[in-house]
Amino acid sequence: ELKVEQNPLFLSMQEGKNYTIYCNYSTTSDRLYWYRQDPGKSLESLFVLLSNGAVKQEGRLMASLDTKARLSTLHITAAVHDLSATYFCAVDMTDRGSTLGRLYFGRGTQLTVWP
Amino acid sequence: EAGVAQSPRYKIIEKRQSVAFWCNPISGHATLYWYQQILGQGPKLLIQFQNNGVVDDSQLPKDRFSAERLKGVDSTLKIQPAKLEDSAVYLCASSLGARYYEQYFGPGTRLTVT
Repeated sequence: ELKVEQNPLFLSMQEGKNYTIYCNYSTTSDRLYWYRQDPGKSLESLFVLLSNGAVKQEGRLMASLDTKARLSTLHITAAVHDLSATYFCAVDMTDRGSTLGRLYFGRGTQLTVWP
Repeated sequence: EAGVAQSPRYKIIEKRQSVAFWCNPISGHATLYWYQQILGQGPKLLIQFQNNGVVDDSQLPKDRFSAERLKGVDSTLKIQPAKLEDSAVYLCASSLGARYYEQYFGPGTRLTVT
C-alpha cells in the first residue's frame, strides 16, 4: 500500500514569515495533488503536479515535485491569516506506469497564521 | 457548473443502526469515489466506480459497508450495522475518468455514531 507522510502535522507561524511543508511518499508516482481544507468544509484543489521537476505557484503558495526523491514541497511565502487551514498532499497510485486515479492522502498539516 | 452534491450533510445514529448516504456527481463524470475522513486524518479511499461498475473496493469493510451506483450516475453508501469507529466525514468525489483526471469533492456527510 502506498504510504504518504506529511510534516509537520501542526504549524503555527507569524504573518510575514516563510515556511515549507513536506510530503514524502513510498512508491513510484508522477502525479501529486495539494488540497486545502477549511474547518467543516470539503477539499479545495490547489495544485496538480504531473511530472518530475514540476513547479506551480499561486499567490503566496508554491508547490514542487521531485519524483526521484518521492518528495513534494508546499512553500508558503509571507504568510497571511487567510492561509490558515489544513493542507493535504495526495498521491495518485501507479500500476505499471499508469496512474489509477486512486488518491492516497497524507494526514494533513494544520496551519495557523497569527498576527 | 454544479458541483458534487451529497446528502444528508449531518447524521447522528446509535451504534448497530443503519445509515445511507447519497451522492450526485458532476454531470458527465464517469468515475465516482467514496472516501472516509476520520477526524484528524486524511481522506481514505473506500470504493471507486467507473460508470456503474466497481473498479476498486479493497479498502471497503465489506462486512458492514456496501455501495452501489445505479445507472452510472448517483451513488449510495450504506453502513449496516454502524460502529462507534465509523464516526467520520464521508466524502464523495467524481472525475471525468479514472486516469489523469482531477477529482472534485462534495461537501461531505458528517456521521456521528453514539
